[in-house]
Amino acid sequence: RKEVEQDPGPFNVPEGATVAFNCTYSNSASQSFFWYRQDCRKEPKLLMSVYSSGNEDGRFTAQLNRASQYISLLIRDSKLSDSATYLCVVNFISNYQLIWGAGTKLIIKP
Amino acid sequence: DAGVTQSPTHLIKTRGQHVTLRCSPISGHKSVSWYQQVLGQGPQFIFQYYEKEERGRGNFPDRFSARQFPNYSSELNVNALLLGDSALYLCASSLRSAREQYFGPGTRLTVT
Repeated sequence: RKEVEQDPGPFNVPEGATVAFNCTYSNSASQSFFWYRQDCRKEPKLLMSVYSSGNEDGRFTAQLNRASQYISLLIRDSKLSDSATYLCVVNFISNYQLIWGAGTKLIIKP
Repeated sequence: DAGVTQSPTHLIKTRGQHVTLRCSPISGHKSVSWYQQVLGQGPQFIFQYYEKEERGRGNFPDRFSARQFPNYSSELNVNALLLGDSALYLCASSLRSAREQYFGPGTRLTVT
């Protein structure tokens, strides 16, 4: 089992719709969680950190479920510019590494 | 403030050669991490340095080495290049280990 798993997609979503991704992690001692977005042939960019109580940044909401060991990202009122690959990142408390999922590809259609 | 910078942006090498990639972190950031990313996959961790000491090493052969300088910039060296080393090499900086990382534009290495 991979340490961090994501549905690769692609998710094809009409503009204005709401879309959600999940990401599961294997190490229950994981401490820090992040979502990044990556555009084609560009570097990943930090979208948001994920806090235990859940957090929101505009149209984006991140949730953490420690019991089931997954994090989620919800995008409301999706825009064409949201089309990208969304990468889930987890820090395992036993070392200093950030472990990356392979990403979920999102395509927003007009 | 300047973001993370990497050089060169593109590089073409032949099998067996050596390559050095460079990275300058965001001012004030003391941690630098190196990743390899191939198409369709997430970044694969290679090294992390904090305060000039190696803090972590991923599952890469000894042909890969790195160091961090007193000004917190870093180099990644790869010896005896293989075709499979062709990838985007990303450098990320953070204030300290295992916190939010900010990436440079990457160096795209092609080995022929």
